Amino acid sequence: ETGVTQSPTHLIKTRGQQVTLRCSSQSGHNTVSWYQQALGQGPQFIFQYYREEENGRGNFPPRFSGLQFPNYSSELNVNALELDDSALYLCASSAPGRFTEAFFGQGTRLTVV
Amino acid sequence: DQQVKQNSPSLSVQEGRISILNCDYTNSMFDYFLWYKKYPAEGPTFLISISSIKDKNEDGRFTVFLNKSAKHLSLHIVPSQPGDSAVYFCAASEASNDYKLSFGAGTTVTVRA
Repeated sequence: ETGVTQSPTHLIKTRGQQVTLRCSSQSGHNTVSWYQQALGQGPQFIFQYYREEENGRGNFPPRFSGLQFPNYSSELNVNALELDDSALYLCASSAPGRFTEAFFGQGTRLTVV
Repeated sequence: DQQVKQNSPSLSVQEGRISILNCDYTNSMFDYFLWYKKYPAEGPTFLISISSIKDKNEDGRFTVFLNKSAKHLSLHIVPSQPGDSAVYFCAASEASNDYKLSFGAGTTVTVRA
């Protein structure tokens, strides 16, 4: 059984650009959540996708958007990048009915310059 | 607003002794609590959890205690081992919010040989 994998592992973008981060959920998991972890802070919930629909959103602006595909993999898109978007972006997947058990990927380190 | 707080950013403990990590929360609707462990360049790994209907859960060297009236939980690691050196995150969730996780800022544990 493969775990949660994220790509790329590191990324450098310029302010104002757009970025797409990818996540493959653990086998059998149909729920994917995205978190932003700024330096020195805990992960902050961005949004969750369940069966290809957004299922809840944290306190993030609309330029943060996402998708979930039929195979339950997911993308996080960020438009008009700002310097404060520099962070570790974590994806977590959960099995059906097992929302309390979230398994995390290794994260994508995004640096905006 | 920070609903989950870990007020000790760091903890240093001698190998073989007990590590006690503390966590406070403000949202009385939280009904499930988790501890995650994170090594550098890796995603958080689930460690142990506790439901709000319990006040203690034990798994090997790890024990989590929950005091609902004080909105406080703690993680005890006995005995501490060098491999326990990592960042520990406290997280909380509620059924009415589909168990989206709210994290504390983390406590960095260093186990001295």
